[in-house]
Amino acid sequence: DVKVTQSSRYLVKRTGEKVFLECVQDMDHENMFWYRQDPGLGLRLIYFSYDVKMKEKGDIPEGYSVSREKKERFSLILESASTNQTSMYLCASRRIGAYGYTFGSGTRLTVV
Amino acid sequence: TQLLEQSPQFLSIQEGENLTVYCNSSSVFSSLQWYRQEPGEGPVLLVTVVTGGEVKKLKRLTFQFGDARKDSSLHITAAQPGDTGLYLCAGELNSGYALNFGKGTSLLVTP
Repeated sequence: DVKVTQSSRYLVKRTGEKVFLECVQDMDHENMFWYRQDPGLGLRLIYFSYDVKMKEKGDIPEGYSVSREKKERFSLILESASTNQTSMYLCASRRIGAYGYTFGSGTRLTVV
Repeated sequence: TQLLEQSPQFLSIQEGENLTVYCNSSSVFSSLQWYRQEPGEGPVLLVTVVTGGEVKKLKRLTFQFGDARKDSSLHITAAQPGDTGLYLCAGELNSGYALNFGKGTSLLVTP
């Protein structure tokens, strides 16, 4: 069964901490994406990567960075966590030329 | 940028009723997808439509892409409690670009 795995389902961090959210896919997909989902705001694109070592800013990249050193892994980094980054974070992947995304189960991050 | 407007935002109906969810935009999309998301899980792809006027059926769910490829609808016939969830439309402006998502329609079907 093909999968996108996010390392943590729930995470609580303190303001100012550096936070790493990990995402691994086993489908050899080229494209990977990070979204955050908030009530009333829907899914908003943070960063995406077309392929290894490539990255593109999405609609809300401020306060975040990403790393894609290996094809299967796409990491989202919160440089200095703030309370307004409390959210559900969703990772997704897609094969080049395909339409549909495969999503992970999400990481619910709370910053206190 | 919120390119896709979904309506209604919330829908609560009884088992057996029919419903339609709308997804509208002023932009033209190369493809449009519908996802369903259950609480605590990521969205799961239901269907992709790519041709203007296209209609696709998935059991009791009927999806339509507008002729001008700016809008789409999802119609559920004889809704069941198992249809409960958040329905998301998502459009791709150009092939290979990241998807733009609507805010979703939260559907509750009660027995």
